[in-house]
Amino acid sequence: ENVLTQSPGTLSLSPGETATLSCRASQSVSSSYIAWYQQKPGQAPRLLIYAAFNRATGIPDRFRGSGSGTDFTLTISRLKPEDFAVYYCQQYGSTPLLTFGGGTKVEIK
Amino acid sequence: QVQLQESGPGLVKPSQTLSLTCTVSGGSISSGGYYWSWIRQHPGKGLEWIGYIYNSESTYYNPSLKSRITISVDTSKNQFSLNLSSVTAADTAVYYCARVESMAGRHFDYWGQGTLVTVSS
Repeated sequence: ENVLTQSPGTLSLSPGETATLSCRASQSVSSSYIAWYQQKPGQAPRLLIYAAFNRATGIPDRFRGSGSGTDFTLTISRLKPEDFAVYYCQQYGSTPLLTFGGGTKVEIK
Repeated sequence: QVQLQESGPGLVKPSQTLSLTCTVSGGSISSGGYYWSWIRQHPGKGLEWIGYIYNSESTYYNPSLKSRITISVDTSKNQFSLNLSSVTAADTAVYYCARVESMAGRHFDYWGQGTLVTVSS
């Protein structure tokens, strides 16, 4: 099983700051098969980034995905109040075919 | 704009079968390039992929749940369904249906709002 480990578990930041979220895979993942999601309380996850660095429709350029192999990063610049949420990475590849990381909560400091 | 909506009982008794349906609107479930998936989220926890169906009959399931899952499609109703048998309290979760985009990766581009299913007698 390809385990995705997200760090940190919680990130406390102020609006206007930059958030750097890490997603580390236990086995190499094709960049085509890494995605990032944002989830707010009581809502379904929303796709932010697919294929490691492609922004989904309507996602502002403050959100940037990067990385390769086993290390992937989601960077959120100039944090806005609406960005405070939980973020998940997701991979496709090894069994089970689709797995998610444990999530990083970005909270207001 | 594609929309997905889950429906089904919010309360299921232990040992019974959990059955949920996802109705897709704004696009055909028969469209190529998409898989139709179920994901669940235990209260206060992370996301767990359950399985998906594509080409109306091909399925892939999470091995941890495989023996209890059936995912099927009804193209005439533009719906797909989840059956999870022999449920226990550990199956209490919010269940989401979602579309998997398969042409530029494998990611969930559209999600239903989710439905809470509680397993309790």
